[in-house]
Amino acid sequence: GQNIDQPTEMTATEGAIVQINCTYQTSGFNGLFWYQQHAGEAPTFLSYNVLDGLEEKGRFSSFLSRSKGYSYLLLKELQMKDSASYLCAPLDSNYQLIWGAGTKLIIKP
Amino acid sequence: NAGVTQTPKFRVLKTGQSMTLLCAQDMNHEYMYWYRQDPGMGLRLIHYSVGEGTTAKGEVPDGYNVSRLKKQNFLLGLESAAPSQTSVYFCASSYEGSHQPQHFGDGTRLSIL
Repeated sequence: GQNIDQPTEMTATEGAIVQINCTYQTSGFNGLFWYQQHAGEAPTFLSYNVLDGLEEKGRFSSFLSRSKGYSYLLLKELQMKDSASYLCAPLDSNYQLIWGAGTKLIIKP
Repeated sequence: NAGVTQTPKFRVLKTGQSMTLLCAQDMNHEYMYWYRQDPGMGLRLIHYSVGEGTTAKGEVPDGYNVSRLKKQNFLLGLESAAPSQTSVYFCASSYEGSHQPQHFGDGTRLSIL
């Protein structure tokens, strides 16, 4: 079967760094997306990884290891506005996104 | 540039009633999707379309129907609403179906009593 595993909730301090992990098992693999979703709002695109390694985009970076079925999202210099849910979503062999339940990130001052 | 627009934003239905959710995108995207999002669960794909005039079933299609008569519009219908269909419904679109990110509407909050 297909499965996505992310922590349900994490807490971090403003200005700090946090790493949100995602492990996945899918039927085939065609890349992995990370989305951000603020409470009561729509998901918005953060990053896409298809090759192994780290992709950096400002304060956010995303890492992929295809052999381990593992990805993480790294958020630096945390701001209060980063309080949101972060959704991990790999693309399976049919190019369908398989969505994790998301990690709720709480930022404390 | 409105992006993806969903109507209505909120709706309360009684069990057995029918309704249609409308999704419109102005980005000339080929692919469109309907998801539902329930607490503690990931987004689940209901139906999707890879182009005008085409539709396909997703993970949870039962109780829903869709139509894509025009490229910019994707309609989701509930023929006979059930309390289990209480959810937040998101429409999304993408240029094509591989590495292009999906763009989401603001969602429709639907309650079935």
